[in-house]
Amino acid sequence: DGGITQSPKYLFRKEGQNVTLSCEQNLNHDAMYWYRQDPGQGLRLIYYSQIVNDFQKGDIAEGYSVSREKKESFPLTVTSAQKNPTAFYLCASSIGTVEAFFGQGTRLTVV
Amino acid sequence: SQELEQSPQSLIVQEGKNLTINCTSSKTLYGLYWYKQKYGEGLIFLMMLQKGGEEKSHEKITAKLDEKKQQSSLHITASQPSHAGIYLCGAALTSNSGYALNFGKGTSLLVTP
Repeated sequence: DGGITQSPKYLFRKEGQNVTLSCEQNLNHDAMYWYRQDPGQGLRLIYYSQIVNDFQKGDIAEGYSVSREKKESFPLTVTSAQKNPTAFYLCASSIGTVEAFFGQGTRLTVV
Repeated sequence: SQELEQSPQSLIVQEGKNLTINCTSSKTLYGLYWYKQKYGEGLIFLMMLQKGGEEKSHEKITAKLDEKKQQSSLHITASQPSHAGIYLCGAALTSNSGYALNFGKGTSLLVTP
């Protein structure tokens, strides 16, 4: 079945560590996106990529990095420079502008 | 960046009652998207509106975009417990930024028996 998969579902990070969140899609979508959601808040755009080997910063890119080497994959690295990384992270993919498919999310907690 | 205000922030309704959620933008909307989210899960696409005055319905949910394309409403008729969740509106940043969206803070809906 086609879909978008995020892993892991839960992730714990020690302060000062980098962690990478995985996002894979088999929908043949060109565009992929990373959002962050905090309690009581809507989603905020971190990075997005409309084509392989190209990506743009969203509103809150500081402390994050991404790569888009393959169409199917758009991993997000939360670096130690991100001062408040505890949040729910959502990945999405789309073709055109009609509809996007979202993954089930990764909940990152700093311990 | 574009600001989206959703109201109300939370809503508790009795099963069978109608309800409306509003989403207001500070700028003209290129596309307005409505999503539903169950707590701790991903988003489920409901509807997308692009044209001023456009209205779409799916089952008991109707969404409208005003003529000026700066306000949208989501109306649920005869609410059911399955409608409970967080409703989010999202808007395209520009006309050519694909699906990169700004989102409102969401409206939390609880439907009581």
